[in-house]
Order: sequence, then C-alpha cells, then structure tokens
Amino acid sequence: SQELEQSPQSLIVQEGKNLTINCTSSKTLYGLYWYKQKYGEGLIFLMMLQKGGEEKSHEKITAKLDEKKQQSSLHITASQPSHAGIYLCGADIVYGNKLVFGAGTILRVKS
Amino acid sequence: SAVISQKPSRDICQRGTSLTIQCQVDSQVTMMFWYRQQPGQSLTLIATANQGSEATYESGFVIDKFPISRPNLTFSTLTVSNMSPEDSSIYLCSVGQTNYGYTFGSGTRLTVV
Repeated sequence: SQELEQSPQSLIVQEGKNLTINCTSSKTLYGLYWYKQKYGEGLIFLMMLQKGGEEKSHEKITAKLDEKKQQSSLHITASQPSHAGIYLCGADIVYGNKLVFGAGTILRVKS
Repeated sequence: SAVISQKPSRDICQRGTSLTIQCQVDSQVTMMFWYRQQPGQSLTLIATANQGSEATYESGFVIDKFPISRPNLTFSTLTVSNMSPEDSSIYLCSVGQTNYGYTFGSGTRLTVV
C-alpha cells in the first residue's frame, strides 16, 4: 500500500478559483515537502514543513502540516494558468533517510 | 540550497545498450539519491548513493542493472544497463540537506527504442 496518499488524482478548475490538494500518511512524518513538476521536467521545490501545526505561504500558495504531522494540505488561491502542472508531496517517513512520494495531482486551470 | 546539474537532459537509446547519467552538485553533500519516474507515475527511489562505498538499493532495483558511482561528495553517476523499452522513464538525482530539505536535478528523459 502507498505510504503517502495524495488526493485528488486530478483536478480541473476555472481560472480564479481556489483549490486544495491533500497528502495523508498513517505514520508520523519527519518532514513534508511539496513540489511542482511540469510535464517531462524536473521537480520545483515549493514548501518544506517540519513542525506540527506549521503553515507556510508563498505568493498564492499555502501549505499546512497538521499537529499530528500525518496530514498536509496545499491550497492555491485565485488559481492561474501558470499554476497548472503536477503537484507532488514527498515525506521523510524515516528520519534523514529518504523521501517517499505520493502519486501526484494533475492540475489543469481553464482560462 | 545546493544547485544540481544533471546531464544529459534527454536521450534516445537502442535496446541492449547502456546510458550513464551524471549529477554534479555545487557544494559537498552527504545524502544523494537517484529516482525513477515512469510515464504517468510518481517518483520511486532507486538507491542512495554513498560516498566511498556501495550504493544502497531499494527493493526491486539491483546493482547489475543500475550501477551507481559516488567518487566524492559533489558527484555521482547512474548507469542504466542493457536497456529495454520498459526502462523508458525520467531519471532524477536528488540531494538532501539539513536546512533545505531535498533538491532535485532537472531530470534525464530516457527513451529506449
């Protein structure tokens, strides 16, 4: 079974609308990372969350990690076509060991 | 955070041949990793590249198929050996740093024909 469950699998939103992507684990996470990927390209780092209850924002993207450090959400406000891509959550399941990834969320933004 | 240079960015290879992918980091890093991303899939860790010792492979990946070198703290190579069309994927190197998390190279898009 997948160690990180990411939802939804895909999302189509109208430009200007808000959206949320979720990432859940049954284990306590030592670190939670959000990345964006354009098709066929490398990963662009978005946010790193390490403390329970932590919340970070950059431009119109906000990421949160719950108090138990088992669930994270990525929220995009007033989506734009430039937000389109694949969003991946990655997590340290074992401290300092390696990242495991969720299945990814494909986001399309309709103009 | 570290800056990673990965090459080649893409290649088309004949089945049965091998391809070596290089990853150069602009600073010394302890943790270095190689991932595979099959078409339409998420990332799967192939192995952790250890400086001065043999790489640590994840379940389903073997050294004969994916030999890895790590001669120093700024450089690593991954070779995809005896390629078949099933090896067509994006291969990414990554480094881990305590205060910066994990940074990824731009990826190598491999097509095996």
